[in-house]
Amino acid sequence: QSVLTQPPSVSAAPGQKVTISCSGSSANVGNNFVYWYKQLPGTAPKLLIYENNKRPSGIPDRFSGSKSGMSATLGISGLQTGDEADYYCGTWDSNSLSGVFGGGTKLTVL
Amino acid sequence: QVQLVQSGAEVKKPGASVKVSCKASGYPFSNYGVDWVRQAPGQGLEWMGWIDGNDGNTKYAQKFQGRITVTTDTSTNIVYIELRGLTSDDTAVYYCGREFCDTTRCFGPDYWGQGTLVTVSS
Repeated sequence: QSVLTQPPSVSAAPGQKVTISCSGSSANVGNNFVYWYKQLPGTAPKLLIYENNKRPSGIPDRFSGSKSGMSATLGISGLQTGDEADYYCGTWDSNSLSGVFGGGTKLTVL
Repeated sequence: QVQLVQSGAEVKKPGASVKVSCKASGYPFSNYGVDWVRQAPGQGLEWMGWIDGNDGNTKYAQKFQGRITVTTDTSTNIVYIELRGLTSDDTAVYYCGREFCDTTRCFGPDYWGQGTLVTVSS
């Protein structure tokens, strides 16, 4: 059971926009930065969003992040088949003093 | 460019220990820490621990306290994780990641190693 809650799966058609939610508590999402990763099968996660809404160099602006209260959201617009992957949110937990992740969301581009 | 290169796959028997290495390059090693995150087959990500590349200070997830040790050799920029008392539940891919932490929190790994599969089987 993951500390952060994500939907197991989402889907949308190419060109459309999808959002993935990540909910937690005041000990984690509510008071710490949230980051998002994309993971393709058999590969390491890749950072998409850090500090809630910032994109590392090379990440297209189709990817966006936001946070409100104890929930964060990853948005992906202009969906492409290459966006099919597992997506994870993560943050720090001030109670357990450890990093925590969501259970992951599988994105299917129909 | 930032690179984290991990050691190869390991097969261990229950009760044994495993030590996995992660060699960092392409950035000032002392300016960041390195964390370890594992992923069991078909499962999500699990943060295990972190070491400061500057002073060797460590943070460990409570779940692993007592059977995990993360160390660093600053002369070679290699970080090691040792996990003792292995069970089948420890079968997973183990990733290292570059991560900045201050005294109160960590800010998420930004670069990751390629992963090391550790299989625990009798």
